[in-house]
Amino acid sequence: DVKVTQSSRYLVKRTGEKVFLECVQDMDHENMFWYRQDPGLGLRLIYFSYDVKMKEKGDIPEGYSVSREKKERFSLILESASTNQTSMYLCASSLSYRNEKLFFGSGTQLSVL
Amino acid sequence: AQSVAQPEDQVNVAEGNPLTVKCTYSVSGNPYLFWYVQYPNRGLQFLLKYITGDNLVKGSYGFEAEFNKSQTSFHLKKPSALVSDSALYFCAVRAQTGANNLFFGTGTRLTVIP
Repeated sequence: DVKVTQSSRYLVKRTGEKVFLECVQDMDHENMFWYRQDPGLGLRLIYFSYDVKMKEKGDIPEGYSVSREKKERFSLILESASTNQTSMYLCASSLSYRNEKLFFGSGTQLSVL
Repeated sequence: AQSVAQPEDQVNVAEGNPLTVKCTYSVSGNPYLFWYVQYPNRGLQFLLKYITGDNLVKGSYGFEAEFNKSQTSFHLKKPSALVSDSALYFCAVRAQTGANNLFFGTGTRLTVIP
């Protein structure tokens, strides 16, 4: 089965730090996604990518950037972390992006102090 | 604009009883509809999807969902709940044309009481 691996399960950072969240998938999927999950708000799409070096903004891209230098790896970058970015971050991948299911990683719980 | 509503934050059901988790959606044109489940400290797992065809979709772990176009609903159901079904359930929708994003609902926490 597809495996989506997020590098950290828990992360604690200070306000203003630059934060990197890494995600790797092992099934040669074209599409990769970063979501954040907050209680009462569900999942909200931050950025997604359909190919290497390609990226598109999701619903809440402000304060974030992404990098996809290799097909299997999709990184989320918080240039200057703020407390309102404390959240659960979920990475996902899919073979195609319309009617195919997403495969999710286990998530990274980020706390910004 | 696309959106998903899960009107119940919490659903409690006794073990062995049927369960329903509600979902309504709004999308331009025809939808692709999905249900995902999240167990504690885990990522989301795919349960089932509706693309086209039969309105009753069967998925993993004995779950099924019924697509109702006139009511714009896609409720998740299971004939007999298990304690192990206790989890957070998310409904999601994507338009078949136009916007690429998959929109998720806010989630419904299902608790199955032994």
